[in-house]
Amino acid sequence: EDQVTQSPEALRLQEGESSSLNCSYTVSGLRGLFWYRQDPGKGPEFLFTLYSAGEEKEKERLKATLTKKESFLHITAPKPEDSATYLCAVLSTGTASKLTFGTGTRLQVTL
Amino acid sequence: DTAVSQTPKYLVTQMGNDKSIKCEQNLGHDTMYWYKQDSKKFLKIMFSYNNKELIINETVPNRFSPKSPDKAHLNLHINSLELGDSAVYFCASSPDEGYNEQFFGPGTRLTVL
Repeated sequence: EDQVTQSPEALRLQEGESSSLNCSYTVSGLRGLFWYRQDPGKGPEFLFTLYSAGEEKEKERLKATLTKKESFLHITAPKPEDSATYLCAVLSTGTASKLTFGTGTRLQVTL
Repeated sequence: DTAVSQTPKYLVTQMGNDKSIKCEQNLGHDTMYWYKQDSKKFLKIMFSYNNKELIINETVPNRFSPKSPDKAHLNLHINSLELGDSAVYFCASSPDEGYNEQFFGPGTRLTVL
């Protein structure tokens, strides 16, 4: 069965303090790895899809990278508005198109 | 314009009742989904429909029945509600079955008393 583990569970950063969130996964074969942002009381917001090891994608202060076992979401010089829960999910080749989510990393960025 | 909308936003009901949640997307997407997010914020897929046809039916009790009258709508009907059904239910859509560029609705918080 596909597994997704995110760490840390919670992260508190000061504004401008760069850091990385980790998403480790176990799948039979990776079709795609997805990152989402979720604000309290709202639905997840799609950020990135990564398909193969070595791939990188960027959006504003966020950069997602992928290896064969894990993905990182790098946050450069974060601002308070980056505070949210970041969710990682995987789609594997052997699970009949079922997306499996991790439990998320709750990020708080303070002034 | 709201891309994916759900109604109602909040639903409070007694055990044993039957309720429905409606979902509509105006993005022209082919695939729609229902997810359940529990109290620990864990998000799990329940159903997936592509062009009105059921693609995924995860291990969900048959008290849950999705209905897709057309490509833009995917409603969720729940019979004989139980305490454990309390959660936030999200509808989502994507251009195809690959989950890329998936848009989520605002969620429906269901509380079963």
